Order: sequence, then structure tokens, then C-alpha cells
Amino acid sequence: NAGVTQTPKFQVLKTGQSMTLQCAQDMNHNSMYWYRQDPGMGLRLIYYSASEGTTDKGEVPNGYNVSRLNKREFSLRLESAAPSQTSVYFCASSFRQRGETQYFGPGTRLLVL
Amino acid sequence: DQQVKQNSPSLSVQEGRISILNCDYTNSMFDYFLWYKKYPAEGPTFLISISSIKDKNEDGRFTVFLNKSAKHLSLHIVPSQPGDSAVYFCAARKESSDSWGKLQFGAGTQVVVTP
Repeated sequence: NAGVTQTPKFQVLKTGQSMTLQCAQDMNHNSMYWYRQDPGMGLRLIYYSASEGTTDKGEVPNGYNVSRLNKREFSLRLESAAPSQTSVYFCASSFRQRGETQYFGPGTRLLVL
Repeated sequence: DQQVKQNSPSLSVQEGRISILNCDYTNSMFDYFLWYKKYPAEGPTFLISISSIKDKNEDGRFTVFLNKSAKHLSLHIVPSQPGDSAVYFCAARKESSDSWGKLQFGAGTQVVVTP
């Protein structure tokens, strides 16, 4: 069991470039999440997918889009990267239920110049 | 507006002693609380949780205490070990079906356990 995997591990972009962060889980979880972590801010929810076929905005969705490709995969897209999107991005998954625990991937470090 | 606050960015403790990490929240609707541990270059891993119907939950060396009236929770690690050196995040959410998964995280506390 790989758990939650993310690609790439590290990426450098120029302002205005686009990219997609990939996430996959092999735990048969129904819910998946994208967070960003910034110094002094903790983790903030960008988007989430409660179940296959649904996506919803989190706390900081501006500048991002997501796709729940299937039950296993949830991607995050930056259409036109900005320096303010420099951050560490974490994907997580869980069974959406009372007392749920989210399992996190190792993160993608993104630098936008 | 951060609804979950960890006011101590760092904590240094000697091996074998107790580590006490604090967390305050402002949203009285929160009724489920979690602690996550994070090592460098890894994702957060779940450590322990507590529901608002309890005031204490214990798992081995880790105990979480909840004071609802003060909107305060704390994590005790006894005894502290070098492998406990990590960043600890407090998180909270409303335990309702439309809020499952919507965690609010604190900024984290870096714990360093010294020999």
C-alpha cells in the first residue's frame, strides 16, 4: 500500500505558466482534499471532493481548479501561476464519516518566480 | 481570520520530560479536534483526536485534554523522546455531515527534544 502519492515532488514555474499537480490514493477512500501550507499559516483547504464526481471550494480556492478523475485520483491545476502560489501543496484522502481521519501525501513544493 | 491558534511556534524539552502543546479555538461550533505530527519533507500524520463529549483522550504516551468552556485543548507527551521532534498541528472541525473533512488547522508548534 502506497497510501497517498503526489507528483511532482518539486517544481519551479515562471509567473503565468500553468501546471497540474497529481494525487492518487490506494485506500479506497471516497473523499479527497487539496491543502496548501505557508509559513505561520498552518494548512489551508483549497478544494475538496466529498465523493467521486463532486468537487467543492475550500477556504482558499482562487487561482486553482480541480478534477476528480476517478475514485483514486484528484488533480489540482494552476492555470496562470502567480508568486503568491509559492507554497507546499498536500493532498489528503479519507472515508467521509463521523470521526474521520485524513491521510496525507508527502507534498509538492512549488516555487513561482 | 484564524479560528485555530497555536501561539507557541516552538518548544524545546529535554528527553524524558513532559511536552505540553497548547491550542486555542474561537469557533464554538467546533466539536471534533485532532493533532497531527509532521516531519520535514513528509506529509502530516494523524496522532490523536478528541470529541467534544469528552475532556480527555489517551493513547500511549500521548494525551489530549479539552476544556470547552475555555475553548482550549492541549497535547501532553510523556515521556518525550528524540523521535518526537517534529511540527505538531492542532486541527478542528464541526462534526456534521456537511462539515466532515473541512479541517481548520493551527499554524503549528515545532518541538525539539534534546538529549
